[in-house]
This record gives sequence, C-alpha cells and structure tokens, in this order.
Amino acid sequence: DAGVTQSPTHLIKTRGQQVTLRCSPKSGHDTVSWYQQALGQGPQFIFQYYEEEERQRGNFPDRFSGHQFPNYSSELNVNALLLGDSALYLCASSLVQGGETQYFGPGTRLLVL
Amino acid sequence: AQSVTQLDSHVSVSEGTPVLLRCNYSSSYSPSLFWYVQHPNKGLQLLLKYTSAATLVKGINGFEAEFKKSETSFHLTKPSAHMSDAAEYFCVVSERNTGRRALTFGSGTRLQVQP
Repeated sequence: DAGVTQSPTHLIKTRGQQVTLRCSPKSGHDTVSWYQQALGQGPQFIFQYYEEEERQRGNFPDRFSGHQFPNYSSELNVNALLLGDSALYLCASSLVQGGETQYFGPGTRLLVL
Repeated sequence: AQSVTQLDSHVSVSEGTPVLLRCNYSSSYSPSLFWYVQHPNKGLQLLLKYTSAATLVKGINGFEAEFKKSETSFHLTKPSAHMSDAAEYFCVVSERNTGRRALTFGSGTRLQVQP
C-alpha cells in the first residue's frame, strides 16, 4: 500500500517564477492538505481540498493556489515566487469520514534564488 | 482559535534515560492532539494521537502521552531513550468535530540522545 507521494523532491527557481508541486494521497484517502515548513520551524497550514474544492485555507496570499483532481491527487501552485517562499512543502492526506489523522508525504524542498 | 506551545526547543538525554517533551495547547473546541516525529530530511511520522478516548495514549516505539484537560497539557514521554529517537518532535492540535481539519503545529523540540 503506497503512502503519500510527492514530486519533485527538490526544486530550484528564481524570484518571480511560478512553480507547481504534486501530491498523490494514500490509497483510499479523499482529502489533501498542504503545509509549508520553513527552516527551523513547524509546518504551517496552507489549504485543504476535498471533492475538488478548497474547504479551508490558512493565512497565505492568493499567490498560493491549488487544485484537486477526480482521482484525489492534488497540485499546489505558487506564482510570483519570493525568496521567502523557500521551504519544505508537505502534503498530507486523510479521510473526511474517519477522524482528523493526517498522513504526510516526504515533501518537496523548494529553493528560490 | 487554537495554538500549541512546546516548552523546550532542545532536550538532551543520555541513552537509556527517560524522555519528557512538554506541550501545552489552547483550543476553543474539544481538541484532537497529536505528536509527530521528523527525522532529518524526512517527512512527518505520526507517533500517537488523542481524540477523546483514554487520556493516556500509547504510540509507536514506546512513546506515550497523557491528556490533562485541567492543565491543558499533552506531554510526550518514553521510559528509556534510544539513539534512534534523536529527531525533531512536533505537538499538534486540531479542532475535533467542527469540520475544520487544519493542523496547528508547535515550533518543535529537537531531541538529542547522547551515548
């Protein structure tokens, strides 16, 4: 049973560019959440998708957007990259019916130069 | 609103001695509480969770935590540390039964285990 997978593992971009990160949830899960973890800090909630809609959003600007596909996989898009967007981006999956436990992928490390 | 305070940013213990990582939480609703562990350059692994059943929760690798509502605490313990326990530990809270599923993380406690 595959767990949560994310791609790519590492990415280097320059300021002003746009980036797309991808996530496949754990088998059987229908909800995907995205988190940003800056160096030396705890992860911060970006948003959550269920039934292809954004259900909840954290305190992140509109430059951060997402999408969920019918197979429950998800993308995180960040436009107009800033140096401060450099971080580990974590995807987590869960079941909307079945509690709050979220299972995390290994993350995508984004470096903005 | 919900928040988590991890009272120690670094904890150092000797192998074979007990581990105590402290966590206080704040939540407007009945909370679900979790401890996650993050090894270097790895994702987050769930250690244990509290969701309103028994207040003493047992997790993987010998870890356990006790939910104390009166103290708003959820401290993580292990009787005997192992070298492989060296990692970053996060205390996490979410609002149970509200439909809002966002996890709120503490700032983390780095556990060092000395030989």
